[in-house]
Amino acid sequence: ETGVTQSPTHLIKTRGQQVTLRCSSQSGHNTVSWYQQALGQGPQFIFQYYREEENGRGNFPPRFSGLQFPNYSSELNVNALELDDSALYLCASSLGGVTSGNTIYFGEGSWLTVV
Amino acid sequence: AQRVTQPEKLLSVFKGAPVELKCNYSYSGSPELFWYVQYSRQRLQLLLRHISRESIKGFTADLNKGETSFHLKKPFAQEEDSAMYYCALRVGTYKYIFGTGTRLKVLA
Repeated sequence: ETGVTQSPTHLIKTRGQQVTLRCSSQSGHNTVSWYQQALGQGPQFIFQYYREEENGRGNFPPRFSGLQFPNYSSELNVNALELDDSALYLCASSLGGVTSGNTIYFGEGSWLTVV
Repeated sequence: AQRVTQPEKLLSVFKGAPVELKCNYSYSGSPELFWYVQYSRQRLQLLLRHISRESIKGFTADLNKGETSFHLKKPFAQEEDSAMYYCALRVGTYKYIFGTGTRLKVLA
């Protein structure tokens, strides 16, 4: 069974740039969530995708957007990067959709530094 | 407001001593609570969930709706329990709210 994998593991961007982070779900999982974890904080929910549709969103501005592909892999895109976007971005996958509370499995995360 | 509070950033105990990691929540609906753990250089992983009423690695947690708490307990701490622990509340069908975490250090 393949776990959740994320890429890149680390990256540095300049304020105002755009970034794309990628996530491959655990085998068989059709639901992907993205979380932002700032230093010293717990993960904060950004949004969730189920069968290629966004079905839930946290308190993040529209410049945070995502995609889920037919193979259930996912991307997180952040436009117009700000210094406060510097954080660990976690992807989590699970089996199930809007009516399920199945366990979510996390990737190791992508560390984004905005300078 | 939906919120999870972990009041302690760091908890240090000696090996063999009891451990209690505190978690309080605020939620108007029927809560579903979890403990996640992150060992050094590893990914965040589920430790236990209240609906299972299970004991994992000697840890237990009881949901107390009156006190809106879900404290994590272990009677005898082991050095390998040293890790970051996060309490999480599932809201609706897709969103988890995490606390800020407590670092547990078990001293030899």
